[in-house]
Amino acid sequence: QVHLQESGPRLVKPSETLSLTCSVSGDAISGSFWTWIRQPPGKGLEWIGYIHDSDRSEQNLSLKSRVTMSVDTTKNQFSLMVRSVTTADTAVYYCARGSGRLANLKFDFWGQGLLVTVSS
Amino acid sequence: SYELTQPPSVSVSPGQTARITCSGDALPTKYAYWYQQKSGQAPVLVIYEDKKRPSGIPERFSGSSSGTMATLTISGARVEDEADYYCYSTDSTSNPRGVFGGGTKVTVL
Repeated sequence: QVHLQESGPRLVKPSETLSLTCSVSGDAISGSFWTWIRQPPGKGLEWIGYIHDSDRSEQNLSLKSRVTMSVDTTKNQFSLMVRSVTTADTAVYYCARGSGRLANLKFDFWGQGLLVTVSS
Repeated sequence: SYELTQPPSVSVSPGQTARITCSGDALPTKYAYWYQQKSGQAPVLVIYEDKKRPSGIPERFSGSSSGTMATLTISGARVEDEADYYCYSTDSTSNPRGVFGGGTKVTVL
């Protein structure tokens, strides 16, 4: 069974950088499209982006200039950084495995989610 | 930017059929996926590639797609099916980006 677990600071100050890590067990980090999705309190899901084998990634255009994703194959982890955060970045952040072909990804395993609050 | 449109809410009586629609201009050439999210929990995949059901998902969940609209159908809805449902797909660019619909709250009462 594949298991994903988000970790990182739960409180970030405005204008600083949000950094999260997703630890993966039960599957190798290579080969799948590891994805970040977020959900502001009381609102819907927002696709942030994916990373694949450290050499291919894509992000939501609304966030692209502020987002960096990376993979650490030695630790079987992948990470998300969002720079210059504002209160609008307050959300539950989920990591998920995207399996299948890039154009036909299904998110079949998810982390439990981590609420990150942006506040001074 | 590309958008998927869902109705905000759908109500159904237990045992009846609920249908949730998702419209998007790229759906004629892109698959739709459906996720169920119960309160306080992570989403769960219930339909992929328009109409395929993952193992463990009850047969009462089915999907279809025609033209610019995809539909999730819950036949014989149960109280435990009460949740938010999100459709997901990708845009039609060469490096596809994902997008979720706004979500539909399904109430079973």
